[in-house]
Amino acid sequence: DAKTTQPNSMESNEEEPVHLPCNHSTISGTDYIHWYRQLPSQGPEYVIHGLTSNVNNRMASLAIAEDRKSSTLILHRATLRDAAVYYCILKQAGTALIFGKGTTLSVSS
Amino acid sequence: NAGVTQTPKFRVLKTGQSMTLLCAQDMNHEYMYWYRQDPGMGLRLIHYSVGEGTTAKGEVPDGYNVSRLKKQNFLLGLESAAPSQTSVYFCASSYRAGISYEQYFGPGTRLTVT
Repeated sequence: DAKTTQPNSMESNEEEPVHLPCNHSTISGTDYIHWYRQLPSQGPEYVIHGLTSNVNNRMASLAIAEDRKSSTLILHRATLRDAAVYYCILKQAGTALIFGKGTTLSVSS
Repeated sequence: NAGVTQTPKFRVLKTGQSMTLLCAQDMNHEYMYWYRQDPGMGLRLIHYSVGEGTTAKGEVPDGYNVSRLKKQNFLLGLESAAPSQTSVYFCASSYRAGISYEQYFGPGTRLTVT
């Protein structure tokens, strides 16, 4: 299975942008890059996904390197509610999402 | 829409007891999944279903059984609970299993086996 590497933890201040990195050097051409987040004591929730081009939605932006070996999830203005564990996942053909340990984001006011 | 709901929210079992966790979704999704999450870890797939009447094993299926008799429900059973099954259990569903379809997760069931 293709693997991702994320920092264990990151800190941010409220209302500042946050860039969460993810390395996936063994990504295959058909792997989508998915991001999920898990708020404390809740189930994971979908954030965004992309294949090659940068993607934007109401929650975040996803910037994908030209060689696709890395990506960055961008939260444009962090809020206290964005404090969560963020998972970068390569979604391959089949059914399973393979979760690593993710990045724990702390947001300070 | 309620989305994905799980029953119960909490449960304490003694070793050897049995129980069933219920997952329900109202989004008409074809695919449903059961995961477990141990402290400080990511989620691991236990079993999944690609449609009514079908189930398949995931990464950690031992000690669990599942059934999908109705499209909207996915049941996870523990026949003889063990302390190693103490965990938080999450159910999820998705419209399809294609690589671009997101999964929707329930709030979780916290199970303790003593």
